[in-house]
Amino acid sequence: GAVVSQHPSWVICKSGTSVKIECRSLDFQATTMFWYRQFPKQSLMLMATSNEGSKATYEQGVEKDKFLINHASLTLSTLTVTSAHPEDSSFYICSARDATSGDTDTQYFGPGTRLTVL
Amino acid sequence: GQNIDQPTEMTATEGAIVQINCTYQTSGFNGLFWYQQHAGEAPTFLSYNVLDGLEEKGRFSSFLSRSKGYSYLLLKELQMKDSASYLCAVGGYSTLTFGKGTMLLVSP
Repeated sequence: GAVVSQHPSWVICKSGTSVKIECRSLDFQATTMFWYRQFPKQSLMLMATSNEGSKATYEQGVEKDKFLINHASLTLSTLTVTSAHPEDSSFYICSARDATSGDTDTQYFGPGTRLTVL
Repeated sequence: GQNIDQPTEMTATEGAIVQINCTYQTSGFNGLFWYQQHAGEAPTFLSYNVLDGLEEKGRFSSFLSRSKGYSYLLLKELQMKDSASYLCAVGGYSTLTFGKGTMLLVSP
C-alpha cells in the first residue's frame, strides 16, 4: 500500500521558536496532502488542505500565518509552526491521496509528529 | 456541516465479534471510511464504503446505509492487538471529517 513518512517523529522546542515538519509520499504522487492535529483523547481535526503548486486551504479557526504550509512537489509538503507556544503542543499528522490510483478518495496517513513546546 | 456519532468506548473478549456503529448527518457525502488508531500512532486505513451494502475484508467488514446515514464496522475473531480506537470518517467533496472514535478494549 501507499506509504507516507513524516519527519521528525517527535520534537521538543522552546516557546517562541519555529518548527518545520515534513510529510513525504514515498511510493506515489500526491497532488493533495492534508494536515491534521490531534489533542489527547480527541479526534483528528483537519487544519488545512495542501495542493501541489498552489496555496493551502485552511479550515476555519486555523491561523494561516502561524501554520505555514508549503507543497512544493508531488511528494513533499511541509508544515511550519511559527512562534510556537505551549498550547501548540499536539500530535500533528499528515495524510496524502494517491493521485494516480483509481481509488482517489482514500487518505493514507503518516506516522505523526509529536510536538512539545516548553 | 458534518455531525458524526459513534460510541465512546466498547469492551469485548478475545475471539468474540464486536460491531461498532456510526451515524452521520452531512451536507455532502463522498464515502464513509473506517480507520484504526493505536495510542500514540497515526490512523491506519481499514475500509471504504460509497455504495450501500457490506464490504468484507478478512476479519473486518463494514456496512453502509446511505438512506439511514448509518454504518458499522464488524470485527470478528477478536485478538488482543485489536485493542485500539476506531474512527469513522465521512468524505466530503475533498476532505474527511472524523468522528471522535470508539475505544475498543479486548480482554482475554
